[in-house]
Amino acid sequence: QLQLQESGPGLVKPSETLSLTCTVSGGSISSSSYYWGWIRQPPGKGLEWIGSIYYSGSTYYNPSLKSRVTISVDTSKNQFSLKLRSVTAADTAVYYCARLMLYCTNGVCYNWFDPWGQGTLVTVSS
Amino acid sequence: EIVMTQSPATLSVSPGERATLSCRASQSVSSNLAWYQQKPGQAPRLLIYGASTRATGIPARFSGSGSGTEFTLTISSLQSEDFAVYYCQQYNNWPLFGGGTKVEIK
Repeated sequence: QLQLQESGPGLVKPSETLSLTCTVSGGSISSSSYYWGWIRQPPGKGLEWIGSIYYSGSTYYNPSLKSRVTISVDTSKNQFSLKLRSVTAADTAVYYCARLMLYCTNGVCYNWFDPWGQGTLVTVSS
Repeated sequence: EIVMTQSPATLSVSPGERATLSCRASQSVSSNLAWYQQKPGQAPRLLIYGASTRATGIPARFSGSGSGTEFTLTISSLQSEDFAVYYCQQYNNWPLFGGGTKVEIK
């Protein structure tokens, strides 16, 4: 059973860089059928996709965050990572990692996130 | 840019009753829509993908329908464990979530 686990500091100072790692267990990150993604959720609010990465290193990001985000992958460790630069209080959120499924049939493609990690709260404060 | 709108924001339902949740896209997303359930302090859980296919292990009381811009999640007979927040998610150029519908006990 595939499991994902986020790890990293729970407190980051304003203007610094938020760094998180997602460790994948129970399966290989190097599968051609999946992307891997980061999603965040500010306290009491909804879900926001941050970006996704393929095992080859190909990435795509939410345009609203693109200038501050870098996602990378380490296939030898079965991990992928998130860096968010120049953080402010608005970046305080629970950060989730998840597998992004890609499924195409009859010329139509479908995408969904499953499974998800348990999430980790990152607070931006001095 | 596509906008996803979920309604209502809050739905008050008695146990055993039917709940109908709506998700509307500002432009067509074909059938590329997923539904998630989130309980307090937990990560979202996939319920439905491809607008109408239940994920593994999801009870039959959950059903999804729709295509294009109008989608519905129906819970046929609400159980106590179904009171939660539900999100829809589309994928056009990138993943985008709706604002959520909270299903609460009436």
